[in-house]
Amino acid sequence: SQQGEEDPQALSIQEGENATMNCSYKTSINNLQWYRQNSGRGLVHLILIRSNEREKHSGRLRVTLDTSKKSSSLLITASRAADTASYFCATGDSGAGSYQLTFGKGTKLSVIP
Amino acid sequence: KAGVTQTPRYLIKTRGQQVTLSCSPISGHRSVSWYQQTPGQGLQFLFEYFSETQRNKGNFPGRFSGRQFSNSRSEMNVSTLELGDSALYLCASSPTTGANSPLHFGNGTRLTVT
Repeated sequence: SQQGEEDPQALSIQEGENATMNCSYKTSINNLQWYRQNSGRGLVHLILIRSNEREKHSGRLRVTLDTSKKSSSLLITASRAADTASYFCATGDSGAGSYQLTFGKGTKLSVIP
Repeated sequence: KAGVTQTPRYLIKTRGQQVTLSCSPISGHRSVSWYQQTPGQGLQFLFEYFSETQRNKGNFPGRFSGRQFSNSRSEMNVSTLELGDSALYLCASSPTTGANSPLHFGNGTRLTVT
């Protein structure tokens, strides 16, 4: 079952604009992570935000987390053509002492040069 | 450090056959997880191995199995292949188990079942 649901499913913007993607989840979490996937390749970790954090920055990325609303957003500022990819949020579940991430279906971002 | 390596990169099999996929984690990483990615179901957790022990398994039939060796390398096996098993299979490693550190993914094995 999908824990995280990204919105929108697809987003097309001009180079230089900002891109915002949202993620909603259903249950309590330890942390929330964002990953990027270029077409047909593996996922690349972007940022991890813990449940007791509200905002985190990494370069041109800004992630917010609202545990009361069970939602997170990923903002990419000054987008570049190389940012074209699918972006996934994932929630960490350390139940039973194992490591399992539950992924949403992703937002497909297209940055037009 | 070298990244996560998955072999082979592409695989074409026929229904009813079996297949073995291989994953070499980042040096020093002891946790290896496997995920299946399809257009319809997205990314789904298959299983996680840590120190040669399966720690958790997703909701997949018994045809899907795996193992981890003492050097942390892992293999997954799918027996009696079905058309619906066509997918990108992704392996990911982490230094430890427990969902508090990022996963490092390989580029996957694209399996096509005909």
